Amino acid sequence: QFVVTQSPSASASLGASVKLTCTLTGGPERYGIAWHQKQPEKGPRYLMTVNSDGSHNKGDGIPDRFSGSSSGAERYLTISSLQSEDEADYYCQTWGTGMGVFGGGTKLTVL
Amino acid sequence: EVQLVDSGGGLAQPGGSLRLSCVASGFTFSSYNMNWVRQAPGKGLEWVSYISRGSSVIYYADSVRGRFTISRDNAKNSLYLQMSSLRAEDTAVYFCARDTSPSEYSGSWYDYWGQGTLVTVSS
Repeated sequence: QFVVTQSPSASASLGASVKLTCTLTGGPERYGIAWHQKQPEKGPRYLMTVNSDGSHNKGDGIPDRFSGSSSGAERYLTISSLQSEDEADYYCQTWGTGMGVFGGGTKLTVL
Repeated sequence: EVQLVDSGGGLAQPGGSLRLSCVASGFTFSSYNMNWVRQAPGKGLEWVSYISRGSSVIYYADSVRGRFTISRDNAKNSLYLQMSSLRAEDTAVYFCARDTSPSEYSGSWYDYWGQGTLVTVSS
């Protein structure tokens, strides 16, 4: 069974960097994923796709502070120069056999 | 500018029905597969259903199969979710999402989302 796992929470200081992890289990390590940002009372916002080779493609208007990378079955989202508005839930998403798949989300707190 | 506008949510009784709509603009709606995704209070995002651009391929999550029906009207740039036999656990904000897959038979990543519409199932 294809499962996507994320740590429930992460925190970092204003101006610092943070790296969020999405782990693919039970499926091909070649799968790419998408990262989405979810803030309260708003629809999710697509950030980027991250492929198995580490290449990433960002959505419209996503700042350079957001980047993606990959290692084995892990896909990463790195946010540098953290700002208060980056405090949000971050979800990785992909497609399994006949179904969409989401990780449980990581709640990012900016200290 | 790509826009997806969700509507149709509200209060429904257990066992009742609701029909959600998503109106698309700013892109050729008929060229894209589409999805519904929901978020229950305090929970994460959950995929609900997928429909291919020509409506020939449809998938449902196990939690809604047999109770929800996804459809679309490409002439009206609209996506729908007919929800019946509603349960308390269907209470959530529902979002439509545009799929980037080039194939009708498989979904992929979502690159645009609606703002969501709240469905509350309660007596």
